[in-house]
Amino acid sequence: DTEVTQTPKHLVMGMTNKKSLKCEQHMGHRAMYWYKQKAKKPPELMFVYSYEKLSINESVPSRFSPECPNSSLLNLHLHALQPEDSALYLCASSRGGGTKNTEAFFGQGTRLTVV
Amino acid sequence: AQTVTQSQPEMSVQEAETVTLSCTYDTSESNYYLFWYKQPPSRQMILVIRQEAYKQQNATENRFSVNFQKAAKSFSLKISDSQLGDTAMYFCAFMIPPSNSGYALNFGKGTSLLVTP
Repeated sequence: DTEVTQTPKHLVMGMTNKKSLKCEQHMGHRAMYWYKQKAKKPPELMFVYSYEKLSINESVPSRFSPECPNSSLLNLHLHALQPEDSALYLCASSRGGGTKNTEAFFGQGTRLTVV
Repeated sequence: AQTVTQSQPEMSVQEAETVTLSCTYDTSESNYYLFWYKQPPSRQMILVIRQEAYKQQNATENRFSVNFQKAAKSFSLKISDSQLGDTAMYFCAFMIPPSNSGYALNFGKGTSLLVTP
């Protein structure tokens, strides 16, 4: 199983809503990532979890709250978002732990629209 | 800070022809990894090829090969025998191995490749 599964695939939410994005992998990877991608732009790193601990937060606003309940799951909780937060949110995982196997596997993303 | 530059926003190639996508990067690190990722309209980011900076031999993966020039900080991707399914956005990416914080990728702006019949 070399898949990273993200749900939902599409999400429309109002600015007062609370929603969550979910990411799951069963490859035994110990590093998981959230990236944000605007149309026709490269992905931008948001958060990195390594061994279920938050190791990188790229100055992301607090309306985005990541959570890593276990080594297979990564959530991104959303609250009071703005229309400019509309984007494709990509989850990725890699072996981590200082190994030479550095390949990151990406999910298909969640297309988020904030109205 | 590390930067990755892809100077070709868009490229087009005919089926069965060869095309080369360029990428340059800037870093003061000596140990790093370089990647080409492909993102088709389906949005899935797919690894095409990987190069370790300490390896002098250029990486190859079937129809895909790289020309890695470490001194020039250049990392171009050659696609041979182009196929319609190669139509996608191609991102060059850079990674410095961390201590414990995972492997975060730094992407270039991308090159949109169109393969025509």
